[in-house]
Amino acid sequence: IAGITQAPTSQILAAGRRMTLRCTQDMRHNAMYWYRQDLGLGLRLIHYSNTAGTTGKGEVPDGYSVSRANTDDFPLTLASAVPSQTSVYFCASSPGTGGTDTQYFGPGTRLTVL
Amino acid sequence: GQNIDQPTEMTATEGAIVQINCTYQTSGFNGLFWYQQHAGEAPTFLSYNVLDGLEEKGRFSSFLSRSKGYSYLLLKELQMKDSASYLCAGMDSNYQLIWGAGTKLIIKP
Repeated sequence: IAGITQAPTSQILAAGRRMTLRCTQDMRHNAMYWYRQDLGLGLRLIHYSNTAGTTGKGEVPDGYSVSRANTDDFPLTLASAVPSQTSVYFCASSPGTGGTDTQYFGPGTRLTVL
Repeated sequence: GQNIDQPTEMTATEGAIVQINCTYQTSGFNGLFWYQQHAGEAPTFLSYNVLDGLEEKGRFSSFLSRSKGYSYLLLKELQMKDSASYLCAGMDSNYQLIWGAGTKLIIKP
């Protein structure tokens, strides 16, 4: 693989269910990010990690959790999904530890919560 | 508060030039990014400006005025494949990107 992969590509989920969105990068980038993109709004940062073992909250962290056990993987978990979490979720990474580096995006996961 | 403003939609003709404007308000400033996003795809990086002035990169150029909180993306010799959304994002003092909603550019033959 090259770059960032996300799984699943799309998912329909019943409200109240737990769901983990997967993100893996093979570029050995230090920083990773999770965004959601909703129609008419800009990308909004959910959580980020500047380096393996550390995580931080973004603009809209409620209802989501992340972990960063190693450099390559950065899963996003919805503990109990709600319809307002219906969105397109993008994972991104950057080479540095959270500075002005360019962010590179994965292909996205389209999530629908019913 | 932090805010990025850009037009929702623009239309231009193949072969022409188009300028997409962006105004920003961020808590601190560590640069201005432009990304391109085709429908159903991931955003891809176009440009980064942190100093005032024009940065040219092939058919695409980006301009920044920090005193005015203003940037624009200039696309020359438009091609049909340039039909996409163009996202403006300002980086704040915490090195987090604040994103605009994007400008959908429609190219007509």
